[in-house]
Amino acid sequence: QVQLQQSGPGLVKPSQTLSLTCAISGDSVSRDSAAWNWIRQSPSRGLEWLGRIYYRSKWYVDYGTSVKSRITINPDTSKNQFSLQLNSVTPEDTAVYYCLRGQWLVRTLQYYFDNWGQGTLVTVSS
Amino acid sequence: DIQLTQSPSSLSASVGDRVTITCRASQSISDYLNWYQQKPGKAPKLLICAASGLHSGVPSRFSGSGSGTDFTLTISTLQPEDFATYYCQQSYNAPYTFGQGTKLQIK
Repeated sequence: QVQLQQSGPGLVKPSQTLSLTCAISGDSVSRDSAAWNWIRQSPSRGLEWLGRIYYRSKWYVDYGTSVKSRITINPDTSKNQFSLQLNSVTPEDTAVYYCLRGQWLVRTLQYYFDNWGQGTLVTVSS
Repeated sequence: DIQLTQSPSSLSASVGDRVTITCRASQSISDYLNWYQQKPGKAPKLLICAASGLHSGVPSRFSGSGSGTDFTLTISTLQPEDFATYYCQQSYNAPYTFGQGTKLQIK
């Protein structure tokens, strides 16, 4: 059974960097039919996909439109985990952040999110 | 980015009712549409993928349909544990986007 365990601070000061880590058990960050995503949820923005990494002989990354200039998602194969860094945060970045697994249906391009971390409330405030 | 609009935003119903939630996409997305259920304080859970495919372990009272721009999620006979918020999500292309949610409340 796949489990995703998130860790990281719940309070970040404006203009600083938000950093979260997601440890994977029951699966591998480099399995070639999965992708590893970050999503956030806030009352003002709803559910917002931030980005993903996946491995297909090499690492690929995709980022969401609103955060593309500030975000980095990295794998750590030695620890079987992946991380999120969001730079230059403002109070608008206050949200519950989730890490999650994405998968493709066999022999299709259908992509869905089937395992989620527990969520981390990150508040941006001085 | 593809926009998804759900209707209604909230809905009151009773145990045993049949309920339908609609999701409309801003462009054609074929059948690249998933549905999730979220309860307070919890992460969303996958219900339906590829518009009509029931995810493993999800009760058969949940069903999905649609293609192109218009999709529906139907709960055939509401159970007490079904009162939650429901989201659609498109997987046609990145960035993946979600609807704003439909909150299903007890009447």
